[in-house]
Amino acid sequence: AQKVTQAQTEISVVEKEDVTLDCVYETRDTTYYLFWYKQPPSGELVFLIRRNSFDEQNEISGRYSWNFQKSTSSFNFTITASQVVDSAVYFCALSGETSYDKVIFGPGTSLSVIP
Amino acid sequence: DAMVIQNPRYQVTQFGKPVTLSCSQTLNHNVMYWYQQKSSQAPKLLFHYYDKDFNNEADTPDNFQSRRPNTSFCFLDIRSPGLGDAAMYLCATSRGSGRGTDTQYFGPGTRLTVL
Repeated sequence: AQKVTQAQTEISVVEKEDVTLDCVYETRDTTYYLFWYKQPPSGELVFLIRRNSFDEQNEISGRYSWNFQKSTSSFNFTITASQVVDSAVYFCALSGETSYDKVIFGPGTSLSVIP
Repeated sequence: DAMVIQNPRYQVTQFGKPVTLSCSQTLNHNVMYWYQQKSSQAPKLLFHYYDKDFNNEADTPDNFQSRRPNTSFCFLDIRSPGLGDAAMYLCATSRGSGRGTDTQYFGPGTRLTVL
C-alpha cells in the first residue's frame, strides 16, 4: 500500500524565518514519483516540484529547496526567508508504477507566515 | 496560456437540486480527474477519465456522475446534492503515461454551497 504522512498539521513562523515541511512516504514500487503542491487561500493547487525515485539530488529553486532521502523515505521541503505570500497549505504526494494515473496525497501542512 | 479552467468558481444550489460543474483544458492531456476537497482535508479522488474510459473510485457515491464529451471538456453532475456535498471541487489533468510518472495540473476549483 502507498501512504504519505505529513506529521505537521499547522506551522506558524515569523516572516524571514526558515521553515521545513516534513513528508514521509511508504511504497513498495521500485519506481515512484514525489510531488509538492501549494494551495493558497484561493483554493487552486499549484504544482511546485516532481522528483523521481532514482534522483536523490537536492533541488533548489529560489527560496525553495527540497531534500529527498530514500534511506529515510522522506522528501522534505524548506522555505528560506519565508514571506507572507508563502502562507498556504502544502501537500506532499506520491505516485508509482502501480498507481497508474493516480496520486496519493498527504494530509497537508498549513503554513502561516506572520508579518 | 495552456491551462485548466473551471466554471463557475462559486456555485450555490439548493438541497436536492441537480447541479453541473464544468472543466476544460487546453493541455490536450489524456486524463481528466475530479476531486472533492472538504475543509482542512486533502483532495479526495472521485473518478477520472483516461480518454473516454471512465474510472470510478469504489467509495464515490452514486449521486456523483461524470461526462467527458471530448478531450477538452469534462463535467461533474451531482444529481441530488445534500448538505454533506458542500465542498471545493477540483478538476485536474495529466498526460496519462499509466506508470505514475505524470504531474497532475489543477484548475482553480469550484466552491459548492448547498442551502
